[in-house]
Amino acid sequence: EVVLTQSPATLSLSPGERATLSCRASQSVSSYLAWYQQKPGQAPRLLIYDASNRATGIPASFSGSGSGTDFTLTISSLEPEDFAVYYCQQRSNWPYTFGQGTKLEIK
Amino acid sequence: EVQLVESGGGLVQPGGSLRLSCVASGFTFSSYWMTWVRQAPGKGLEWVANIKRDGSEKYYVDSVKGRFTISRDNAKNSLYLQMNSLRAGDTAVYYCALNRGGIDYWGQGTLVTVSS
Repeated sequence: EVVLTQSPATLSLSPGERATLSCRASQSVSSYLAWYQQKPGQAPRLLIYDASNRATGIPASFSGSGSGTDFTLTISSLEPEDFAVYYCQQRSNWPYTFGQGTKLEIK
Repeated sequence: EVQLVESGGGLVQPGGSLRLSCVASGFTFSSYWMTWVRQAPGKGLEWVANIKRDGSEKYYVDSVKGRFTISRDNAKNSLYLQMNSLRAGDTAVYYCALNRGGIDYWGQGTLVTVSS
């Protein structure tokens, strides 16, 4: 099973700052990595698929990069609505797996 | 507009069974793999099962293998999850999901609580 390790567990930033979230895979997942945002009481929302492709309707402030085992989600300038939990997920090998999440909180 | 509407959750005793249903609309259901994902209270996400467009291939996470069965009825645009021998650790919100490279559509979720 591919283990995805996200860091940091919690990230405290202010609106307008840049956020950099990391996801490391225990083995190569090529570019088959997605990022999701989840707010309390809501289903997750797809942000990025295949490492660097923005999903429909996702603002350009969100970007993804990486391949193999190391991936990054960057939010260029934080808006108040961006504070949430973020998960990475791989679809390279079954069982598909999620990371444990990074909580982005307001500083 | 894509919609996924789950039903069938509830309270069940350990060892019991439940069948979750998901009715899909707004897309050609028979053209896509479908997925169940769950989230235990206050915890992260777990991919539970996948089923191919025609139902000919199914994949399960190890923790549910032999207890859960994913199925679909393309004529009814419906996805199912039969859950048997339920355990306390299966307590979670279960999401029906459309997976096209990433999960771009999710249902609202249905809560399954396994407790005596």
